[in-house]
Amino acid sequence: EVQLVQSGAEVKKPGESLKISCKGSGYNFTKYWIGWVRQVPGKGLEWMGIIYPGDPDTRYSPSFQGQVSISAEKSISTAYLQWSSLKASDSAMYYCARIYMVATIRYFDYWGQGTLVTVSS
Amino acid sequence: SYELTQPPSVSVSPGQTVSITCSGDKLGDKYAYWYQQKPGQSPVLVIYQDTKRPSGIPERFSGSNSGNTATLTISGTQAMDEADYYCQAWDTSTVIFGGGTKLTVL
Repeated sequence: EVQLVQSGAEVKKPGESLKISCKGSGYNFTKYWIGWVRQVPGKGLEWMGIIYPGDPDTRYSPSFQGQVSISAEKSISTAYLQWSSLKASDSAMYYCARIYMVATIRYFDYWGQGTLVTVSS
Repeated sequence: SYELTQPPSVSVSPGQTVSITCSGDKLGDKYAYWYQQKPGQSPVLVIYQDTKRPSGIPERFSGSNSGNTATLTISGTQAMDEADYYCQAWDTSTVIFGGGTKLTVL
C-alpha cells in the first residue's frame, strides 16, 4: 500500500527555521516525483515545487522560488520542505503528494495527511 | 502566467446533476485533473486525463475537456459529495491549480 506520512504539526516564531518531512512507503521512492502544496486555512491549493528523489531534480513555483528549499534523502525515502526564516504568512497546512507521470499524463495520485505550520510571536 | 478559473461556489439538490467548470487558455490542449477535498481531509483525485476515474471513485463522477473549458459533472449528487473541488493542469513543468469551487448539496 502506497503511503506518504508527514511529520507533525509545528508552532514556530517568526525568524526561526523549520524542516518538515514526508516519508514514502509501499513503492519505489526514487522513481516518482514528489510535490509540495500549500493551503492557507480557508483558501485554495497552491503548488510550491516538485522533486525527483532519484536525481534529485527540483523545480519551484515562481511564487516560492527562494522562499523555501525542497530536498530528499532517498536512502530513507523521505522528502523535505525547509524554511530558513519563517514569517507569519507561512502559517498554513502543507501537503506532500506523489506524482504519477507517464509522458504528458501527470497527476497527484497519493497525498500525505498534511503538516500544519503555525508561525506566531 | 497560466491561470485556471473556477466559480467560487455551486449548489445542487440531492439526486440532481451538477457541473463545475474550469477555464483556461486552450485548456483543451492540456490534460485536466480534478481533486475533491472535504473539510479536514487531504485532497483526493476524482478525475484524471480529462475523463478517467481512478479506482474507487463512483461512476457518478465524470469529466470533459474541450476548447477553453474543462468540466466536472456529478450525476445523482449525494450529500457525501459536498466538498471543495479543484481543477489542475500543467503548463510545461509548472503545476497550476484552479481557485477551487465549494459544492453545497442543499
